[in-house]
Amino acid sequence: AQRVTQPEKLLSVFKGAPVELKCNYSYSGSPELFWYVQYSRQRLQLLLRHISRESIKGFTADLNKGETSFHLKKPFAQEEDSAMYYCALIQGAQKLVFGQGTRLTINP
Amino acid sequence: DTGVSQDPRHKITKRGQNVTFRCDPISEHNRLYWYRQTLGQGPEFLTYFQNEAQLEKSRLLSDRFSAERPKGSFSTLEIQRTEQGDSAMYLCATYVLGTENTIYFGEGSWLTVV
Repeated sequence: AQRVTQPEKLLSVFKGAPVELKCNYSYSGSPELFWYVQYSRQRLQLLLRHISRESIKGFTADLNKGETSFHLKKPFAQEEDSAMYYCALIQGAQKLVFGQGTRLTINP
Repeated sequence: DTGVSQDPRHKITKRGQNVTFRCDPISEHNRLYWYRQTLGQGPEFLTYFQNEAQLEKSRLLSDRFSAERPKGSFSTLEIQRTEQGDSAMYLCATYVLGTENTIYFGEGSWLTVV
């Protein structure tokens, strides 16, 4: 079965430090992967998708098919990055399958 | 604003009562999804519609749950005879076929069953 695993429920780093949020997936076909972010009291919103290879708010994520990973990285964390982050895989009829999420806290 | 609105935003109900949530997508979003999210978990797929047709239902959607999308516009999710385990955030999301795979979420409807 398709599955997305985010091994860290909580991650805390200091402002200015590098951030890496881990995501691993299992999928039999060619995956299409996303990162969604949810800031406090706001709706889920798309942060980035692997096919566009873009950088949003300084975040990047590279799909590693060999390791079946799609880790989210940012070289210098900012306080406004504190949020819940969800890795998701698209399956079938554009149905998103989400990981359990990682709560990122950036300490001043 | 993504244009996906949900109502009500919060609902507290007694066990055994029925509740209904509504989702209004923006008009050209022909695919509509319902997800459920409990504390500490990621959103879980419940069902989705292509226009007015309900094409897939998760096993999470018991017989007490029913979803409709008349005329392919707004959608409703009804829970009958609510149980405490139904307490969760119910999320609506919509998508436009033929565009990049961007699925837009509403703000969700919080259900608390007491």
